[in-house]
Amino acid sequence: AQSVTQPDIHITVSEGASLELRCNYSYGATPYLFWYVQSPGQGLQLLLKYFSGDTLVQGIKGFEAEFKRSQSSFNLRKPSVHWSDAAEYFCAVGARTGANNLFFGTGTRLTVIP
Amino acid sequence: KAGVTQTPRYLIKTRGQQVTLSCSPISGHRSVSWYQQTPGQGLQFLFEYFSETQRNKGNFPGRFSGRQFSNSRSEMNVSTLELGDSALYLCASSPPGRGYDGYTFGSGTRLTVV
Repeated sequence: AQSVTQPDIHITVSEGASLELRCNYSYGATPYLFWYVQSPGQGLQLLLKYFSGDTLVQGIKGFEAEFKRSQSSFNLRKPSVHWSDAAEYFCAVGARTGANNLFFGTGTRLTVIP
Repeated sequence: KAGVTQTPRYLIKTRGQQVTLSCSPISGHRSVSWYQQTPGQGLQFLFEYFSETQRNKGNFPGRFSGRQFSNSRSEMNVSTLELGDSALYLCASSPPGRGYDGYTFGSGTRLTVV
């Protein structure tokens, strides 16, 4: 069965500090991988996605993620966090063939302190 | 270009009632998917509609149903509401030829069942 694990429910970082959000997945085959961000009261905004090729993916707002097949991981990183990055972050996976929907992790809430 | 519009934004219903939520996709998008977001279960896929046909369905009881109109607008209906149906309901639309990798999410409808 497919599953996506985000082990950190809540992370607090200081503004300007680096950030890494963890995501591990369990899937029959290498899925497509996504990171979304959700601000309070809002829908989901796509940060970046990995389909194939270079395992380091660049996204919007200065985020990047690295796909590691051996670890079934797709961790999200940002070198310097801004106060506006405070939000909830979701990792998601989708099948390369078949079902046309995403499976989401439970999310990591990011708090940024001045 | 207008985004995905969900109405209403907030809704309070009584247990046992039914409710209808609406989603207007981005112009030209023909696929609409629905997700339920709760603190306990996270984001879960409900169903996907394409060209007025349900193309994919998640693991929800029959009380949850949907439909899509010829203009691609979609509605979802929940009958005999239960307290556990309280959630943020998100819809996402995709352009032709793209599935979940082309998602644009709406801001959601917050349903509270009392």
